[in-house]
Amino acid sequence: DGGITQSPKYLFRKEGQNVTLSCEQNLNHDAMYWYRQDPGQGLRLIYYSQIVNDFQKGDIAEGYSVSREKKESFPLTVTSAQKNPTAFYLCASSTPNEQFFGPGTRLTVL
Amino acid sequence: GQQLNQSPQSMFIQEGEDVSMNCTSSSIFNTWLWYKQDPGEGPVLLIALYKAGELTSNGRLTAQFGITRKDSFLNISASIPSDVGIYFCAGREMGFRAGNNRKLIWGLGTSLAVNP
Repeated sequence: DGGITQSPKYLFRKEGQNVTLSCEQNLNHDAMYWYRQDPGQGLRLIYYSQIVNDFQKGDIAEGYSVSREKKESFPLTVTSAQKNPTAFYLCASSTPNEQFFGPGTRLTVL
Repeated sequence: GQQLNQSPQSMFIQEGEDVSMNCTSSSIFNTWLWYKQDPGEGPVLLIALYKAGELTSNGRLTAQFGITRKDSFLNISASIPSDVGIYFCAGREMGFRAGNNRKLIWGLGTSLAVNP
């Protein structure tokens, strides 16, 4: 089955801890993205990568970091510098024209 | 970052009614995408539009790429309970070729509730 997987579905962390969210795709897409979704605020772009070993900051990159060592994988680290990390995180990959999303990870920082 | 103006923000309708929503931008777009998101899930692509004036259907859903290139519309005919969810529009500004910049600009969504 082709698609985008994110794990885990729910994640709980203590304040001050870094946490890494997984995103894997087997669609052979070059471009991948991370979005954050808060109630009533739509989707906000955190980071994106158009090709392996390259990535750019989105609109709200502060407190986050990414890597793109493989075409299939684009992990997101939520660092302790992120002031309000509790949110729903969505990973996407794209053809030149269309983006497709994974099922999301809900992160709760206690 | 720039956001699209999506309206209405929410709708509550009776099953069987038709639904219309739209998105407008301040700049010219070359791509419009419409997504549906169920609670706790990722958005699912419904319809993609690439040419001004284009009208595309997907079952009971029909979307149009506005002639001015600054707006798009989504219609749902004969709504059913499973149409409940949040509908998002997204687009790509003219001047950004797909291969060079694949960032999308997003609306804030239209929340649809259907009364059976």
